[in-house]
Amino acid sequence: EDKVVQSPLSLVVHEGDTVTLNCSYEVTNFRSLLWYKQEKKAPTFLFMLTSSGIEKKSGRLSSILDKKELSSILNITATQTGDSAIYLCAVVERDDKIIFGKGTRLHILP
Amino acid sequence: GAGVSQSPRYKVAKRGQDVALRCDPISGHVSLFWYQQALGQGPEFLTYFQNEAQLDKSGLPSDRFFAERPEGSVSTLKIQRTQQEDSAVYLCASSNLSGTSGGAFETQYFGPGTRLLVL
Repeated sequence: EDKVVQSPLSLVVHEGDTVTLNCSYEVTNFRSLLWYKQEKKAPTFLFMLTSSGIEKKSGRLSSILDKKELSSILNITATQTGDSAIYLCAVVERDDKIIFGKGTRLHILP
Repeated sequence: GAGVSQSPRYKVAKRGQDVALRCDPISGHVSLFWYQQALGQGPEFLTYFQNEAQLDKSGLPSDRFFAERPEGSVSTLKIQRTQQEDSAVYLCASSNLSGTSGGAFETQYFGPGTRLLVL
C-alpha cells in the first residue's frame, strides 16, 4: 500500500534553534512531493519538489528531495514562535492520486 | 483577493442527522477538491471536480457521502445519517489548473475547513 511517513510526529524546540523534519514515501509512480504549513486549519503551500538534489529555499525554510532514498527533508533555521504549526508532506502520483503524511507538530518555545 | 471560503466553520450534529458543508472556491478556479482530516491525521482525498463534472470520487468513504458542484463554482459536500466516525475537519481546495494530471494538485489553495463533530 502506498504511504507517506513523517517524523518526528511532534517536536518542541527553543526559539533560535534549527529543526529538520523528515518525510519518507513508498508510492508506485512518484510525480511530486509537496510541503505545507498548517496553522489552525488551512494548509498553506511551502514547496514543491520534483527533482532530486535541488534545494528549494524561502527565507529561513529550505527543502530537498532524495529520490534514491525516497525521502525529503524540510529545514527551518533560526526558528521563531510563528513557525509553530503542523508541517504536512504530501506525495502526488502519476496516476493522479495524492497521499498526505500525518504531519509533524512543531512547537517553538519563546 | 478572496481565498477559498467554507461554511459553516463549525458544525455539531447528532448521530443520524444529515449535514451539508459548503465550499466557495477562488473565483475562476476550475478544479475543486474535498478532503477529510481526522484528528491527528493528514488530509485524505475524498473527491475532485473539474468545473461541474465530478471526475474522481474514489475517496468517498461510503454512499452516505455525496458531493456536487452544479454550476461549476460553489460545491456542497453532503453527509447523510452522520456517524461518530464522520467527526473530522473537512477541507476544500481549489486550483486554476484543470485535471489532476495537469498539476491541479500541485497548485491547490486550501480553505479553512469545517470542523464537524457528530455526537
